[in-house]
Amino acid sequence: EAGVAQSPRYKIIEKRQSVAFWCNPISGHATLYWYQQILGQGPKLLIQFQNNGVVDDSQLPKDRFSAERLKGVDSTLKIQPAKLEDSAVYLCASSLKVTQYFGPGTRLTVL
Amino acid sequence: GQQLNQSPQSMFIQEGEDVSMNCTSSSIFNTWLWYKQDPGEGPVLLIALYKAGELTSNGRLTAQFGITRKDSFLNISASIPSDVGIYFCAGHEGNTDKLIFGTGTRLQVFP
Repeated sequence: EAGVAQSPRYKIIEKRQSVAFWCNPISGHATLYWYQQILGQGPKLLIQFQNNGVVDDSQLPKDRFSAERLKGVDSTLKIQPAKLEDSAVYLCASSLKVTQYFGPGTRLTVL
Repeated sequence: GQQLNQSPQSMFIQEGEDVSMNCTSSSIFNTWLWYKQDPGEGPVLLIALYKAGELTSNGRLTAQFGITRKDSFLNISASIPSDVGIYFCAGHEGNTDKLIFGTGTRLQVFP
């Protein structure tokens, strides 16, 4: 069974630029999550989708972050404009029931 | 928001030694999960616990769901060099499906 796929794996941008990350969850997993993991910390949930609907986006900085899951499968997370403090690993996870399976993440560096 | 307190923060042990780490919360959790994260990768699920008092093993790993539902521990027996990484506890608080992560335990194993 293929795991959660994410791209790109690495991205370096300058502050105020825009960036987008892509996630393809495990086939059949209705729930998809985006996490932000700052160096030295555990992952923090940004947004949770159930199929193509948002379940929880309470910790998503909506002034600059947006996410969509148009057909209930793939998802994109966008940051516009990026700030220095957005430097982190962005993890995508998916689940069928309770257990979440994570992708390898995208490491974002904002200069 | 809710945070999980994980200890120790880091461990430096010799190959063959046993390791123990734990996680505590101030509120009741309905699930406890233990993940391992290697550099440049997403967290990988090691053990999932769903009932208070549950003791589960996965090879050399053993984890328990505390009977108060506010703590969990992970033991690794006879450590080997590939056990190196960061171990995170995580759990679902109350009846939510929002996964909350601990601060991580960094494990170093010396030959």
